[in-house]
Amino acid sequence: SAVISQKPSRDICQRGTSLTIQCQVDSQVTMMFWYRQQPGQSLTLIATANQGSEATYESGFVIDKFPISRPNLTFSTLTVSNMSPEDSSIYLCSVSGIAGVRNIQYFGAGTRLSVL
Amino acid sequence: GQQLNQSPQSMFIQEGEDVSMNCTSSSIFNTWLWYKQEPGEGPVLLIALYKAGELTSNGRLTAQFGITRKDSFLNISASIPSDVGIYFCAVLMDSNYQLIWGAGTKLIIKP
Repeated sequence: SAVISQKPSRDICQRGTSLTIQCQVDSQVTMMFWYRQQPGQSLTLIATANQGSEATYESGFVIDKFPISRPNLTFSTLTVSNMSPEDSSIYLCSVSGIAGVRNIQYFGAGTRLSVL
Repeated sequence: GQQLNQSPQSMFIQEGEDVSMNCTSSSIFNTWLWYKQEPGEGPVLLIALYKAGELTSNGRLTAQFGITRKDSFLNISASIPSDVGIYFCAVLMDSNYQLIWGAGTKLIIKP
């Protein structure tokens, strides 16, 4: 597997502000994904972070609200923009395409976001 | 969209009991995965299944990939307190390497 570091682990933010979440992997990976998870619920894919090009967003998620960067094969950021209380959730980064491992996704510990 | 049906939604069991949960889909998938998520953590991979009919163990955990490639089950034998958490099944979409997730099974162990 890989060691995936996600920062911050939690934050409390004011509505209208933005938060950038970082995801760092200790080895090069092919794919990086960003998810949202409501407490006690399953995971919802926000987007696939593509290295060197624009992210691919799932239905219901747009770049203006969730801009994503992936400058290299080990790092990605997700920004939650112009936050409202409805954005309070857990945000998870996952990676796959680790050398020798068949396209299995491994996860960071998540970022717990509360918006007041 | 495609869905996985995971059951039960939650389980209240006594320590030492065996646990069984399952996951079904209406479509065929070639890779089935079982993850466990504990509070404050991301999902952790427990078992990956790649071959129809395959039975794979990881300690007290055993998972099977259904022969039709449309279902899987996970068994936990002799449950202990650290088994509490939410267990998710997931399948890998070969086209784009995305995962489709079950709704999760919350395991609670009665004192």
